[in-house]
Amino acid sequence: EAQVTQNPRYLITVTGKKLTVTCSQNMNHEYMSWYRQDPGLGLRQIYYSMNVEVTDKGDVPEGYKVSRKEKRNFPLILESPSPNQTSLYFCASSWGGNNQPQHFGDGTRLSIL
Amino acid sequence: KNQVEQSPQSLIILEGKNCTLQCNYTVSPFSNLRWYKQDTGRGPVSLTIMTFSENTKSNGRYTATLDADTKQSSLHITASQLSDSASYICVVQPPFRAGNNRKLIWGLGTSLGVNP
Repeated sequence: EAQVTQNPRYLITVTGKKLTVTCSQNMNHEYMSWYRQDPGLGLRQIYYSMNVEVTDKGDVPEGYKVSRKEKRNFPLILESPSPNQTSLYFCASSWGGNNQPQHFGDGTRLSIL
Repeated sequence: KNQVEQSPQSLIILEGKNCTLQCNYTVSPFSNLRWYKQDTGRGPVSLTIMTFSENTKSNGRYTATLDADTKQSSLHITASQLSDSASYICVVQPPFRAGNNRKLIWGLGTSLGVNP
């Protein structure tokens, strides 16, 4: 089954404790992206990757890091989480051409205390 | 002012009824306009993608229309079902250019509730 898998689905942690949210897709997509979704703000892009070893900042990259060492994986790293990073996070993937639908994971709900 | 605005913000209808959701956008030019369905606690799922040259696209009971002259799109849901209860999000993609990463501009969504 074609899917985007995120882990964990839920996490409660404390300020400053490094964490990684994993994302894996099995569709051989070139393009992957991370979003956060907050009430009243919609989806905002954090980082994206056009292909292996090619990553770049989205609209709200501060406090986050990513890597793309393999095509299928695109982890999101919070080196020193803060309460304002409490949010619902989505990973998405798609083919690289125009007019391609993005496929989303089921989300990771992070609470930073 | 958001570049993609949706109305109404929320809507409740009875099962079996039809409804139409609206999207007004200011992004111009654009490559395509998309509608996504997002169930509570789940990731968005693509319903339709229309290029700037298309004016209608259907996916089962969902029909999207696009009027590029007035910069409006609508999503019509026919014979609604309880499972249609979700948020429906309009998304516009500007033309791809080097450096814009195939950016998507997301609306805030219309929350639809379908009651029995």
